[in-house]
Amino acid sequence: ELKVEQNPLFLSMQEGKNYTIYCNYSTTSDRLYWYRQDPGKSLESLFVLLSNGAVKQEGRLMASLDTKARLSTLHITAAVHDLSATYFCAVGTGNQFYFGTGTSLTVIP
Amino acid sequence: ETGVTQTPRHLVMGMTNKKSLKCEQHLGHNAMYWYKQSAKKPLELMFVYNFKEQTENNSVPSRFSPECPNSSHLFLHLHTLQPEDSALYLCASSQVKGAKGNTIYFGEGSWLTVV
Repeated sequence: ELKVEQNPLFLSMQEGKNYTIYCNYSTTSDRLYWYRQDPGKSLESLFVLLSNGAVKQEGRLMASLDTKARLSTLHITAAVHDLSATYFCAVGTGNQFYFGTGTSLTVIP
Repeated sequence: ETGVTQTPRHLVMGMTNKKSLKCEQHLGHNAMYWYKQSAKKPLELMFVYNFKEQTENNSVPSRFSPECPNSSHLFLHLHTLQPEDSALYLCASSQVKGAKGNTIYFGEGSWLTVV
């Protein structure tokens, strides 16, 4: 079974700072997704990464994919309070989606 | 109207009750999923339906019984649940064939409490 590991599990950061969340997965896949979940809410799709070296950016979030290292990163630039949420990566193979444990991000003023 | 709709949003049931969760997707997708999300645990895939056929059952206890009458509707029938089954149950859908990067879209979830 494909395993997806995220770290850190919990992240507390000050506003204005930068940080990176890491997502490692155990077997070959060509699709990597990032989702955001606010407390009590469902998961919202952020990025879909389809090829080695893919980089996507939306606002203060930037995601990248290294398929050879089986690693994706979600980089947060100049964090603001609105980014506080839980972030999940997921790896797709066929019609299966395997999710990481999530990273709970809290941005402190 | 959101792409994936789940009802009810909240459900409290006794261990001897029978209830059902309902999911409807309006995205024209051909695959539907049930996931379980418990506190401090990863998302657990429960069932996958592809073109109405069940293609995955991740060792889910028989007290959970899925039903997929068509590509747009998915049910999760609940019977004699245990308190540890209390969780957020998320329905999702995706397009299996077509563009490579098709993502999975989630409903708002059904919060289940078993008492």
